Amino acid sequence: GQQLNQSPQSMFIQEGEDVSMNCTSSSIFNTWLWYKQDPGEGPVLLIALYKAGELTSNGRLTAQFGITRKDSFLNISASIPSDVGIYFCAGRPTSGTYKYIFGTGTRLKVLA
Amino acid sequence: NAGVMQNPRHLVRRRGQEARLRCSPMKGHSHVYWYRQLPEEGLKFMVYLQKENIIDESGMPKERFSAEFPKEGPSILRIQQVVRGDSAAYFCASSQDSTYGYTFGSGTRLTVV
Repeated sequence: GQQLNQSPQSMFIQEGEDVSMNCTSSSIFNTWLWYKQDPGEGPVLLIALYKAGELTSNGRLTAQFGITRKDSFLNISASIPSDVGIYFCAGRPTSGTYKYIFGTGTRLKVLA
Repeated sequence: NAGVMQNPRHLVRRRGQEARLRCSPMKGHSHVYWYRQLPEEGLKFMVYLQKENIIDESGMPKERFSAEFPKEGPSILRIQQVVRGDSAAYFCASSQDSTYGYTFGSGTRLTVV
């Protein structure tokens, strides 16, 4: 099935650093979601974006809906050890399907 | 206000047995989605159901796998004659309708021995 291109696949960073990850698609999307999955748990919704250009924050997390409607970005500022996990983007195309398509995930490891 | 409830959390089956995974959606949610996740991999869509109807089963293997969401009771993902390759985490998600973001359960980890 179709999947979004999410990058980077994995990253190791030092505690306190900022983190950036993104998702791109060949299709135009009308909604973008960002999830975090802790080890052994299900994904938890972090941020939802509904309009092109929209910038939304949730604590140290900021996500943007790209102007082209084909991409989205997630930034984490001043990372802490509990930020470790897998971050998934999910997008809902404007046509052809009614279900969200998930990215392949970015695995984040924070070094104390 | 319980979230999406999945049980069991862990399930061990011998090759050839049947596995039944249960999912109770959030209150007020009538859309259920099942995903499979292999270790170190992403979420792979399997099936999308509304009450009593399968809307999209394009990600579910044609043989041995089936899903239902009856009028009363939880959604069930059923795997017959399990094989080692079926070992994975199976996640259920629910939503109010197809436009809202999904709420995921904690998953069922199936191990086939």
